Amino acid sequence: SQQGEEDPQALSIQEGENATMNCSYKTSINNLQWYRQNSGRGLVHLILIRSNEREKHSGRLRVTLDTSKKSSSLLITASRAADTASYFCATDSSGTYKYIFGTGTRLKVLA
Amino acid sequence: DVKVTQSSRYLVKRTGEKVFLECVQDMDHENMFWYRQDPGLGLRLIYFSYDVKMKEKGDIPEGYSVSREKKERFSLILESTSTNQTSMYLCASSIFVRTSNQPQHFGDGTRLSIL
Repeated sequence: SQQGEEDPQALSIQEGENATMNCSYKTSINNLQWYRQNSGRGLVHLILIRSNEREKHSGRLRVTLDTSKKSSSLLITASRAADTASYFCATDSSGTYKYIFGTGTRLKVLA
Repeated sequence: DVKVTQSSRYLVKRTGEKVFLECVQDMDHENMFWYRQDPGLGLRLIYFSYDVKMKEKGDIPEGYSVSREKKERFSLILESTSTNQTSMYLCASSIFVRTSNQPQHFGDGTRLSIL
């Protein structure tokens, strides 16, 4: 599997529920970022977590990072219909300026 | 707020045509990127530029070239289009920090169809 692979591929929940999506990667990183993409639009940066951080919050978003397991999770609490989008994790590749994006998790929040 | 503007949202071309995709950012970012996005494959880096007239190949540069004559503008050129270049093309920019990659700011994409 490629670096920055999200799981699950698709997720459907009711409004008000929490949504959790996971990302696994293969090589060492400086940071990991999460992005959101609404249908037919570009990606929007949500949050960046550095390799020496374990948890980070931004509004209803909570991101964790476990470098020993090479994995990260994104939790969206009290989801809303407007959260319906695809979510991507992106890792840097140590020593380069490349970002490696996964294939994304498609989240659908039902009203 | 950073704005990354791509010249076209939708484009339809015929095989063999030359296509220019333009991208302009307004935040004086050093780094600019071109990706293509295909279902099931995620975003794949075509080319990257870290300064005016500087460029580096990404993962899938074949069939593409780029131009960066001014800091704010990064153009993707498809010299002779083929149907397998039908895709969503995304441009992004970021500031340069030597020690780590910074958040990227994306344009809304150009959906290119090659007939």
